[in-house]
Parts: sequence; structure tokens; C-alpha cells
Amino acid sequence: QVQLVESGGGVVQPGRSLRLSCAASGFTFSIFGMHWVRQAPGKGLEWVAAISYDGSNEDYADSVKGRFTISRDNSKNTLYVQLNSLRAEDTAVYYCAKEIVSSSWFHDWGQGTLVTVSS
Amino acid sequence: DIQMTQSPSSLSASVGDRITITCRASQGINNYLAWYQQKPGKVPKVLIYAASTLQSGVPSRFSGSGSGTDFTLTISSLQPEDVATYYCQKYNSAPWTFGQGTKVEIK
Repeated sequence: QVQLVESGGGVVQPGRSLRLSCAASGFTFSIFGMHWVRQAPGKGLEWVAAISYDGSNEDYADSVKGRFTISRDNSKNTLYVQLNSLRAEDTAVYYCAKEIVSSSWFHDWGQGTLVTVSS
Repeated sequence: DIQMTQSPSSLSASVGDRITITCRASQGINNYLAWYQQKPGKVPKVLIYAASTLQSGVPSRFSGSGSGTDFTLTISSLQPEDVATYYCQKYNSAPWTFGQGTKVEIK
């Protein structure tokens, strides 16, 4: 069965960087588009970034454009997001999510990893 | 960018009631609309995609309708296990915007 396991979260100071990973298993990772979605404490879901199955296309929410970079390593079945210039408002649980077909809704989600930006 | 607006933001209803949640897109999105359920402390789960197609395994009391800009999620007979926050989401192109959520509680 599909498994998505995020890691790399933690407490980080404002302005610093963090890289999150999402290890995928149970499906052919290299043929599915992938996304990052975040949820601030007590708030709703916010789409963050997307990457195509082969890594050739990336999209970002305006709130993170220029600061976050999504990437993937299909040889390692792993999705990444590099979080730079972190702000207090980036504090959230970060989920990776898998499409079911190209540009589709999110059929599978990881359990999330918490990023706390605080001095 | 297309904005997704849900209403109401919260509702309280009795077990067995029929409830409806509305999602409006700021521009037409055909039927590229999904509904998710997120129970407290849990990961979101897709209920409906393509505006009205029920995800396998989802109880038939859930249904979706709409196309273009106006969509609804209906629970025909509210059950205690339906206590959750419900989100709509547009897909098919960036940004994959979510509505702000509707929190459903039992009266």
C-alpha cells in the first residue's frame, strides 16, 4: 500500500533554512506528480508546492515563491522541499501528498512533519 | 489566481440531519473540484472528486454536485463519526487552492 513518510521538521530560528523529506513506497514514485501542503496550528490547509513526475515542472504558492524549492529524486523515491528565509508564519505541519493522475486531487497523504519557526 | 470560498465556516446539526456545505470558485473550474474530510488530529482524506464522484469506500450518505463556480457537499444523514472539518479544493492547474474549511459538529 502507498506510504508517504515525512521527516526533517523541527524548531528553527527566523531567517534560517530547513529541508524536509518525504520517503515514498508502495507505488511507482517516478510516474506521479507530488505536492507539499501545510497546515498552521488550528488553521486550514494551504497548498505550498507541486512537482511533476519527472521534476521538469514546479509550481509554488505566492506565499512561498522565491523562498521554498521543491525537488525529487526518483532513484531514491524521495520528495524534498527546501525551506529558506523562514518566517514565523511558516510554522505549520507540512504534508506531502500524491496525485492519482496528472494534476489531479490528492489521493494519498503522509502523516506530516511539524516545522516551528521561533527565536 | 482562483479563490475558493466555503460557507458556512462552521455548523452544528443533529444526528440524522441533512447538511449542505457550499464552495464557490471565483472563476469557472469546470468540475475540477474535490472535497476532503479532516477529522481532529488526523490526515485529510478525499471524499469526492470531479465534483460528484464518490471516492471508493466513502459512505453513500456523502454526495457532491455542481460545476463551473458553484459546488455543494451534502451529508444526507449526519452521523457522529462525521464530526470533522471539510475542505473543497480546485485542481487541474496551479495553484491547487483549498477553501478555508467548514467545521461540522453535532448538536
